[in-house]
Amino acid sequence: AQTVTQSQPEMSVQEAETVTLSCTYDTSENNYYLFWYKQPPSRQMILVIRQEAYKQQNATENRFSVNFQKAAKSFSLKISDSQLGDTAMYFCAQKPHSGGGADGLTFGKGTHLIIQP
Amino acid sequence: DTGVSQNPRHKITKRGQNVTFRCDPISEHNRLYWYRQTLGQGPEFLTYFQNEAQLEKSRLLSDRFSAERPKGSFSTLEIQRTEQGDSAMYLCASSFGTNYNEQFFGPGTRLTVL
Repeated sequence: AQTVTQSQPEMSVQEAETVTLSCTYDTSENNYYLFWYKQPPSRQMILVIRQEAYKQQNATENRFSVNFQKAAKSFSLKISDSQLGDTAMYFCAQKPHSGGGADGLTFGKGTHLIIQP
Repeated sequence: DTGVSQNPRHKITKRGQNVTFRCDPISEHNRLYWYRQTLGQGPEFLTYFQNEAQLEKSRLLSDRFSAERPKGSFSTLEIQRTEQGDSAMYLCASSFGTNYNEQFFGPGTRLTVL
C-alpha cells in the first residue's frame, strides 16, 4: 500500500519569502512518480511540479523546486519569492509506474499555505 | 476546449436517494479518473477508465457506487441509496497517454446528503 504524509497542516509566510513544504511517502514500488498539486480557494486543482523517481536530478519549474531524497522517501517543495497568489492548499501525491494497472494518485492530507502581504 | 467540466456543481439530496454526476474530460484525453475529497483531507482515488474500459477500482468504491464511460468520452458516477457519509466533493480528472502525464482536474461536484 502507498501512503503520503504531510506533517504541516498550515504554514504562513510573508510575501517574497522562501517557504518549504514537507512530504514523506511510503511505497513498495521501485519506480514511481511524485507530484505537487495546488488547490486555490474555491478553484480546481492544478499541477505545480512532478518528479520521476528514477531521475536523480531535482525538478524545477520557475519559482518552484523540489528536494527529492529517494532513500529517505522525502519529497519537499520549495517556493521562492512567494507571491500572494501562492496562497492555496498544497497536496503531495504519488503513483506507481505500472504498465496498465494502477494509475490512481495517492494524496497526502495537504498543507494550507498562507502568504501574508 | 477549456478543461474538464463537471455537472452539477452542487447536489443536495436526502438519505436513501440515488444521485448521478457527469464528467466531461478534455477532448482526446483517453484516461478519466474519479476521486472523492472530504473536508480537510486530500482527494482519495475511486476509479479510472482508459477509453471505455474501467481498469482500476478502489476499495472505497462500494457496491452502491457505479461508474461508466460508455463511449470513451464523458463519464457518469452514480451513488445509490446515499448515506450521510457520502457527503463530499467528487472530483473528476483526465489525462492523455502515459503514467507520467499530468492529470487535469475538474471543479468538482459537491454532494450534501441530509
